[in-house]
Amino acid sequence: EPEVTQTPSHQVTQMGQEVILRCVPISNHLYFYWYRQILGQKVEFLVSFYNNEISEKSEIFDDQFSVERPDGSNFTLKIRSTKLEDSAMYFCASNRVYTGELFFGEGSRLTVL
Amino acid sequence: DAKTTQPTSMDCAEGRAANLPCNHSTISGNEYVYWYRQIHSQGPQYIIHGLKNNETNEMASLIITEDRKSSTLILPHATLRDTAVYYCIKSETSGSRLTFGEGTQLTVNP
Repeated sequence: EPEVTQTPSHQVTQMGQEVILRCVPISNHLYFYWYRQILGQKVEFLVSFYNNEISEKSEIFDDQFSVERPDGSNFTLKIRSTKLEDSAMYFCASNRVYTGELFFGEGSRLTVL
Repeated sequence: DAKTTQPTSMDCAEGRAANLPCNHSTISGNEYVYWYRQIHSQGPQYIIHGLKNNETNEMASLIITEDRKSSTLILPHATLRDTAVYYCIKSETSGSRLTFGEGTQLTVNP
């Protein structure tokens, strides 16, 4: 069964460093998303992406964040200058049609020290 | 935009049906009810969704009241692997910004 894959599974970084989280969505999917979950808190929407541009973003997704689809398979989330409060599990998701039925990856845990 | 309301936790015996309620009294006509679950901090997993008719798939059944103000997710024969946090989410089908709440922690006991 096709799945969304994310790398790395866990990344530890120093505050102020740039981080890139990578995702390979399911191959025939057209819509891509990032969500995050701070430990013990709710899953929160960050951004949706379609046709090489951001469709929607939340108030969390400020200038420190960016997304890119650099080639036909990868979808990345970049955090330019990490803060302690960026420590969270980041989930990538995708779907073929623009509905609420999303396919999530297993997540990338980011720890900012 | 009021969210959905779910019990914080529920228990179920293995092999029995798990019935998870959700209140969504402010649902609008173009909003669907989606159910997801999250097993121990893994990525959320889609289960089922519906608009007004009852729905069934290989994972679960969804019963939506006639006034659409509440719904129940039914896992017909719960197993230990169904232990997870279950989220009831209302969302327009044309937009998939899902707003997750606290969900219900379902614990299936042997």
